[in-house]
Amino acid sequence: QSLLTQPPSVSGAPGQTVIISCTGSDSNIGAGYTVHWYQYLPGRAPKVLISEFTNRPSGVPERFSGSKSGISASLAITGLQTDDEAEYYCQSFDRSVNGAEVFGGGTKLTVL
Amino acid sequence: QVTLRESGPALVKPTETLTLTCAFSGFSFTTRGICVSWIRQSPGKALEWLARIDWDDDKYYNTSLGTRLSISKDTSRDQVVLTLSNVEPADSATYFCARKTTTMSPFDHWGQGALVTVPS
Repeated sequence: QSLLTQPPSVSGAPGQTVIISCTGSDSNIGAGYTVHWYQYLPGRAPKVLISEFTNRPSGVPERFSGSKSGISASLAITGLQTDDEAEYYCQSFDRSVNGAEVFGGGTKLTVL
Repeated sequence: QVTLRESGPALVKPTETLTLTCAFSGFSFTTRGICVSWIRQSPGKALEWLARIDWDDDKYYNTSLGTRLSISKDTSRDQVVLTLSNVEPADSATYFCARKTTTMSPFDHWGQGALVTVPS
């Protein structure tokens, strides 16, 4: 079981907005560790979408945004496109594993 | 331009040791802060972080894999090697190496992955 909890799946129609949550605990997000978000299409290299909760690397569309609230982080995707259909992962660090990297369980986004 | 490329056997028998190599270019372990990790995805499962080696040779491992993992680097050859001992079918996965520029930064460059199968 992942130390970061994500919904297994979300879905939305083209043009709609979806939000993917990443719930942690006092040993990761609550301990002050940051969160990064990745988009993963099986067969391709994962791509960082959001760093440090809210920062969007150059080249990532503004449709992707991140936020933090308490011990949770969220990824919002607005104006859904069919190309957005992929797996999305949050990643942080956790004191219970000596500050090492941990991934969430992943969320499969289906664009209806 | 930063690139990473994984290489290794596509098929490994149970109980054997898997050795994977990550050859990279566009950066160097001589740069303070550079880290390279190995991450895998087994079929139908989530990404799983395995191990990390830092510019100063500090090493970190996924504790759930016990003492089966070992990571090392060859700074002069720009390579990172991961070994996983006593493999089992559950170790069948696509193995990625990925870079970051500081301990807390995201994995900003990834290899394409190497598919490894351990038959039952």
